[in-house]
Amino acid sequence: GIQVEQSPPDLILQEGANSTLRCNFSDSVNNLQWFHQNPWGQLINLFYIPSGTKQNGRLSATTVATERYSLLYISSSQTTDSGVYFCAVRSYSGAGSYQLTFGKGTKLSVIP
Amino acid sequence: DAEITQSPRHKITETGRQVTLACHQTWNHNNMFWYRQDLGHGLRLIHYSYGVQDTNKGEVSDGYSVSRSNTEDLPLTLESAASSQTSVYFCASSESKGAADTQYFGPGTRLTVL
Repeated sequence: GIQVEQSPPDLILQEGANSTLRCNFSDSVNNLQWFHQNPWGQLINLFYIPSGTKQNGRLSATTVATERYSLLYISSSQTTDSGVYFCAVRSYSGAGSYQLTFGKGTKLSVIP
Repeated sequence: DAEITQSPRHKITETGRQVTLACHQTWNHNNMFWYRQDLGHGLRLIHYSYGVQDTNKGEVSDGYSVSRSNTEDLPLTLESAASSQTSVYFCASSESKGAADTQYFGPGTRLTVL
């Protein structure tokens, strides 16, 4: 099956700093999502981004499908950005079905 | 507002017992999914359903079963709970079956098997 690798696994930032999280995937994908899992465990959709660039406030994401990677940018980080960021890719699994495969996540800690 | 809920939020059970985790969505989505989340593994797909009476096995389906009798609910049953099934379980739903589908997740159920 498709492999999804995220880096770095852990990241500690001072409040106000910028960061880039990376997601590499091993095969062609039909779409890609970024999620934020907050400290209470809730998974929140950040971006649906099969290709190109999207921005939402201080967060933006870029996917280069031909090179099999996606980047999530966090600018002017805040303590509320802490949590785990997951990349998930959708690929064809046969019989008309598509499945979502998750990376292991990047754990972000933003300190005041 | 439409939502997806899971119950219970926390459950402690003993090895060998049957356990059922509930998932209910009011999005009227056709597709529903169960994942488990473990340290070092991210989220892994257990079972999924594309509609009433449809169920399919995911990556880690052994020891689990699901049934879909209506659009809103997809209960997950652990036939005989094992300590290896201690995990956080997430239910998700989505509208379409195609490539451009986006999944929305419930709040999760933390299950401990002693």
